[in-house]
Formats: sequence, structure tokens, C-alpha cells
Amino acid sequence: KAGVTQTPRYLIKTRGQQVTLSCSPISGHRSVSWYQQTPGQGLQFLFEYFSETQRNKGNFPGRFSGRQFSNSRSEMNVSTLELGDSALYLCASSLEGGLHSPLHFGNGTRLTVT
Amino acid sequence: GEDVEQSLFLSVREGDSSVINCTYTDSSSTYLYWYKQEPGAGLQLLTYIFSNMDMKQDQRLTVLLNKKDKHLSLRIADTQTGDSAIYFCADGGRSTGNQFYFGTGTSLTVIP
Repeated sequence: KAGVTQTPRYLIKTRGQQVTLSCSPISGHRSVSWYQQTPGQGLQFLFEYFSETQRNKGNFPGRFSGRQFSNSRSEMNVSTLELGDSALYLCASSLEGGLHSPLHFGNGTRLTVT
Repeated sequence: GEDVEQSLFLSVREGDSSVINCTYTDSSSTYLYWYKQEPGAGLQLLTYIFSNMDMKQDQRLTVLLNKKDKHLSLRIADTQTGDSAIYFCADGGRSTGNQFYFGTGTSLTVIP
């Protein structure tokens, strides 16, 4: 069974631009979550989608948004990039996203904002 | 909010046992997880424990849970150089919406 696939692996963008990251979950998994990982803040929850609906959202500004498609694939978008958005963005999928629904992570997209 | 804390660094000799500790604050936690992250990679699920258990063994891995003290540990027996990585404990499964709370991560270095 293929794991969680994130594209692209690396991105370099300029401040003020926008970016879209893509995530394909494990086949059969309906919940997709996104996390931001930085050396200073660690792993921070961005949002979670299930059946194309955002069920939960972390404490990030509105510049961070996401969506999920009917095949469970998900994208996240960051608009008006800031230097502080440089991070590893991790996507994780799980079966249902309920109790005991372990997260399975992709290898991440490394975003560098210059 | 939920706090999950871990020590930052651990160094052990190859062949010894490693013990990585974690404390959490939310008494309603139902499942607690351990993840491993190698350089340039995402997080790999290692094992988990349900809150009504106090121990779980999975090959070289042993998880101990002290629910009263909200203390979780991961013991790796016969530690190998390939075990060098960052280990995260995570509090998850408290509600739908799947928000996991991760510790800061413990960087394990195995000395040959």
C-alpha cells in the first residue's frame, strides 16, 4: 500500500507570493491533517479535513487555507508569504480521524521564503 | 491548551537501552503515540498505548504509562546506530478532528 505522498518536496518562494502544496493520503484514508514544523515552534496543527469538510483548525492566520477533494486528496495554500512561513509542512492521513486513528505522515514539503 | 514535554537530547552507546521520557497534562487523553523522525523525512509511527494500559511491548520497544503522574516512556532495547533520530511523543485521539499534540522531540544519538 502506498504511503502518504506530498508534492513538491522543496519549494523556494519570494515574500508576498502564494504557494499551493499537495497531499495524497493512503488509499482508504478519509481524514487529512496538516502540520507546520519549525525548529522554534515544533509541530503545530494547521487544520484537518474529512469528507471535504474542515472539521478542525489550529491557530494560524487566514492566509493559511486548505481544501479536500472527493478522492480525499488535499491541498493547502499560503497566500502573501512571509519569511516566518519557512518551514517543513507535513501532511498526515488517517482512516476516520476519530478515537484511535493514528496519523500516518508524508515526507513533507520544505518551503523556503526569501 | 495541551502541553506535552520531552527532554531535548539523549546519547547512548550502541547495544545499551535507551529510555525517552514524556509528560503530558491532559487527563482525558485516550491514546498516546510515539513517532520517529529521521533527517529529511516525515514522522514514522512506532507504537501507541491506550490509556487503560500501563505497559505495551512491541519487539525492541516497550512503552510504559503512568497515568496518575501523566508520564509516558519509550524504552528501546539493544539500541542500534539506525535508531539515531528524533523521537516525538504525541497525545491524540481525544476528539474527532484529529488534532494531535506533539512534544518537542528528543534527539537520540547512538554512539558506536
